[in-house]
Amino acid sequence: GNSVTQMEGPVTLSEEAFLTINCTYTATGYPSLFWYVQYPGEGLQLLLKATKADDKGSNKGFEATYRKETTSFHLEKGSVQVSDSAVYFCALFQSGGSYIPTFGRGTSLIVHP
Amino acid sequence: GAGVSQSPSNKVTEKGKDVELRCDPISGHTALYWYRQSLGQGLEFLIYFQGNSAPDKSGLPSDRFSAERTGGSVSTLTIQRTQQEDSAVYLCGSSTNTHGTAGAFFGQGTRLTVV
Repeated sequence: GNSVTQMEGPVTLSEEAFLTINCTYTATGYPSLFWYVQYPGEGLQLLLKATKADDKGSNKGFEATYRKETTSFHLEKGSVQVSDSAVYFCALFQSGGSYIPTFGRGTSLIVHP
Repeated sequence: GAGVSQSPSNKVTEKGKDVELRCDPISGHTALYWYRQSLGQGLEFLIYFQGNSAPDKSGLPSDRFSAERTGGSVSTLTIQRTQQEDSAVYLCGSSTNTHGTAGAFFGQGTRLTVV
């Protein structure tokens, strides 16, 4: 079956540091890949997506590239802010068959001033 | 509405009582999902509705849990005889297509506390 593996958190950074949150997946075919963000006390927000190999999704300074050869979709940001503190979820939607999204366990990011 | 709406936002109930959680998906979205998020845990899939097809109930943890979707729109998740381990945030999401490329959009969740 499908699976998504994220690096364990929490990830603790100082403001303006570079962020990488690793995400790898297992799926058949060609899934679409997503990053969601959950701020404290809130629901999930779709942050960015990529629907085919080598696509780069980007939003709010975050970006991730769909790497089929390494089955990865790592999230990066060049300079984090305190307001980026949240839990980040990597997810895949499998094309064909059941379209139930598979989520990673989430990675907590804490950014200090 | 503009987004997925869930109600109530918070619910405190006594052990053994039944609860109903409501989800209004984005208009026109044919797919609807329920997930559960326990404290410090990831997202646990519960149930999936797609149009008029029979729902995928494979994630429901016990027969105390049930869900329905009326008219292809509003969905209600019902938990009977609640237990303390049912305490969690219940998230509802909806999606516009069956190809998976649009992703799903989620509501703010309902925080259920069983005392």
